[in-house]
Amino acid sequence: DQQVKQNSPSLSVQEGRISILNCDYTNSMFDYFLWYKKYPAEGPTFLISISSIKDKNEDGRFTVFLNKSAKHLSLHIVPSQPGDSAVYFCAHARGGSNYKLTFGKGTLLTVNP
Amino acid sequence: KAGVTQTPRYLIKTRGQQVTLSCSPISGHRSVSWYQQTPGQGLQFLFEYFSETQRNKGNFPGRFSGRQFSNSRSEMNVSTLELGDSALYLCASSLGPPSGANVLTFGAGSRLTVL
Repeated sequence: DQQVKQNSPSLSVQEGRISILNCDYTNSMFDYFLWYKKYPAEGPTFLISISSIKDKNEDGRFTVFLNKSAKHLSLHIVPSQPGDSAVYFCAHARGGSNYKLTFGKGTLLTVNP
Repeated sequence: KAGVTQTPRYLIKTRGQQVTLSCSPISGHRSVSWYQQTPGQGLQFLFEYFSETQRNKGNFPGRFSGRQFSNSRSEMNVSTLELGDSALYLCASSLGPPSGANVLTFGAGSRLTVL
């Protein structure tokens, strides 16, 4: 079964600098990885995804990189803004009739003004 | 259009009681999934319904159950509550059967506290 690990529970960066959030996985078979962002008292909101056929996906200030040989992906936020302060979840999406999202435990990002 | 609506937002129960949580998906969405979020375990998948059928179930005991109605609204029930059931319960919907490219939209959750 797939495991998704976010080994850093928290990360603090200065406004304007780059934020790099990391995620490791165990099972090489996957369809998509997704990143969700969660503010307190709100549900997670979708941020960006990457499919197994890509190494990189970019959307504005957010870029996700996939290193299949290392079973590692990362989310880069450039430049970081105070409004980016939230918990970021990495999730693996297994497709088909048994679809489910397997989430990591999240990383709390704090962007300091 | 309105997002995913979950009720109640907060509730307190005692051990041994049962609880029912409700979820109204985005209009037109036919798939509803439920997740449990706890500080120690992160978000864990409970079950997913599409067109009133449970298509997938997570590794939770039988005390956790759910259903989906013909209007796509969904409920989940937890019987014989335990202290460890205290969590944020999140509902998410999608237009069709969820897939990698078919992103889930989450509600704000129902915060359950078991005393």
